[in-house]
Amino acid sequence: SQQGEEDPQALSIQEGENATMNCSYKTSINNLQWYRQNSGRGLVHLILIRSNEREKHSGRLRVTLDTSKKSSSLLITASRAADTASYFCATAGGSNYKLTFGKGTLLTVNP
Amino acid sequence: DSGVTQTPKHLITATGQRVTLRCSPRSGDLSVYWYQQSLDQGLQFLIQYYNGEERAKGNILERFSAQQFPDLHSELNLSSLELGDSALYFCASSVVGTGIADTQYFGPGTRLTVL
Repeated sequence: SQQGEEDPQALSIQEGENATMNCSYKTSINNLQWYRQNSGRGLVHLILIRSNEREKHSGRLRVTLDTSKKSSSLLITASRAADTASYFCATAGGSNYKLTFGKGTLLTVNP
Repeated sequence: DSGVTQTPKHLITATGQRVTLRCSPRSGDLSVYWYQQSLDQGLQFLIQYYNGEERAKGNILERFSAQQFPDLHSELNLSSLELGDSALYFCASSVVGTGIADTQYFGPGTRLTVL
């Protein structure tokens, strides 16, 4: 069963624009992670934000976490064609360490 | 390159058959996780091993089993295969896998096609 729900399901933008993806989840978490997946390939870890953090930056990525609203957002600034991929949020919580993934946002960056 | 290796990359087999997928974690990682990705179910956690012992179980069918060996590599065995088992199977590893969950690094996956 999916814990996270990404929104939107698909996003198409022009190179240079910013892309924002949102993730909502249902239960309490220890951390939330964002991954990227190029078509049919492995997942690449982008960033991890812990439940006691509100914002985190990594290069052109900015992640926010609002535990009161059980939501997170991923912002990619100055997007490039190479950013075209599916982006997944994944939550980890409780006493187990599995990641529960959302269905992902398909981002298309047009050159 | 995450440092996690999986073999084979592709596997085509028939219904009723049995296959074994292999995963080598990143050097130093003690935990191995298996996930299944299909179009209808998305990414689903199957099972986790930590230092040779089963740590957590997810939506893993009874026809599926896994183990982690002393050298920390892991194998996922799928038997009595059905058409619906066709999917991408990912292995991930993390340093610890105890306490608060840490970053998981994913392998390139094995694409299983059951005909």
